Amino acid sequence: KQEVTQIPAALSVPEGENLVLNCSFTDSAIYNLQWFRQDPGKGLTSLLLIQSSQREQTSGRLNASLDKSSGRSTLYIAASQPGDSATYLCVLGGGADGLTFGKGTHLIIQP
Amino acid sequence: EPEVTQTPSHQVTQMGQEVILRCVPISNHLYFYWYRQILGQKVEFLVSFYNNEISEKSEIFDDQFSVERPDGSNFTLKIRSTKLEDSAMYFCASTPWTVQPSTDTQYFGPGTRLTVL
Repeated sequence: KQEVTQIPAALSVPEGENLVLNCSFTDSAIYNLQWFRQDPGKGLTSLLLIQSSQREQTSGRLNASLDKSSGRSTLYIAASQPGDSATYLCVLGGGADGLTFGKGTHLIIQP
Repeated sequence: EPEVTQTPSHQVTQMGQEVILRCVPISNHLYFYWYRQILGQKVEFLVSFYNNEISEKSEIFDDQFSVERPDGSNFTLKIRSTKLEDSAMYFCASTPWTVQPSTDTQYFGPGTRLTVL
């Protein structure tokens, strides 16, 4: 059974810093890996999707990498802003049986 | 931009009662999903639905749960006899059709918070 672990569980940094969120998974047989953002009272928003054949994806200040062989992914956030405060979820896609979620990293960016 | 909607945003019910959670997926999407998130825990897959039938379901999705697409727009999750442990946030999601649906992202609704007393 696929297990997804995210480190750290919580992170608080001053505005403007670059930061890295880590994700590890136990089964490398994945279709894709996504990073989602979860805001209180709102739904889950996909930030980046990396197909299993890809190594990384970039969107604005966000960059996500995927190393299937080691079962790791990182989400890099450049020049963090208070609006980046949210819970970031590492999510694996494995077919029609839905997504497998990590527990998330709760990120606070201090103004 | 099209979005998935869910109603109600918060449902309070007594243990043993039936509840129906409603979702309107994005109109051209064909795969639908339900997930739940118990407070403080991970989001968990419940069921996927395609072509008017269940495609996959998790071990959480037992006989107390059912899903239905009663018309061309709504997608519902029914819990027949709610238990205290059913208290959670329930998310609906949909994804557009491709040969491999898992290569697409899933679009999530804002969730329904279910509280069972």
